[in-house]
Amino acid sequence: LAKTTQPISMDSYEGQEVNITCSHNNIATNDYITWYQQFPSQGPRFIIQGYKTKVTNEVASLFIPADRKSSTLSLPRVSLSDTAVYYCLVGDYSSASKIIFGSGTRLSIRP
Amino acid sequence: EAQVTQNPRYLITVTGKKLTVTCSQNMNHEYMSWYRQDPGLGLRQIYYSMNVEVTDKGDVPEGYKVSRKEKRNFPLILESPSPNQTSLYFCASNPAGSLLEQYFGPGTRLTVT
Repeated sequence: LAKTTQPISMDSYEGQEVNITCSHNNIATNDYITWYQQFPSQGPRFIIQGYKTKVTNEVASLFIPADRKSSTLSLPRVSLSDTAVYYCLVGDYSSASKIIFGSGTRLSIRP
Repeated sequence: EAQVTQNPRYLITVTGKKLTVTCSQNMNHEYMSWYRQDPGLGLRQIYYSMNVEVTDKGDVPEGYKVSRKEKRNFPLILESPSPNQTSLYFCASNPAGSLLEQYFGPGTRLTVT
């Protein structure tokens, strides 16, 4: 699996758009990019997955540039309940064996 | 309801007393994993199983055993627990065709004294 680098922490305010960037310079051709959200003392929850360009669902958007060496998770109009740790994973979703979570980004939302 | 269940949710035990944490999923998923989560170290994979009777080591397998005799169950066994195995444990499952889209259980908080 490709190594990923994310900011350790970020702060924002309710109602703002939050963008969390993940760097994955060694991403392979067959790799997909996946983001998880984890609240304290709960298991991570799958948010979104993409291969290139833009993916959007009811929770977030994922932007992936043409070179795919980074990706940005965008959370529109965050609320206090979006305070969590966000993990970026990169791998071949059809043949991955070991799965490696990095340290994640601790997002804190203030009123 | 599609879910991954773990039991027990909380466990306090003593060094050397064998224990098993059960994990069960009702989604007919092929792939199951165990993770431990410790402050400052994030989530680390202990063992994973690609299907029945197929298991392999993750990043931190020492001191743990697993078995996969049925598709729905993937128990984690600590033969001789030690205090450094005090941690929050998560079981996860996902279908073979979507190995990065995992469904996690609620977690088991284990304390070994």
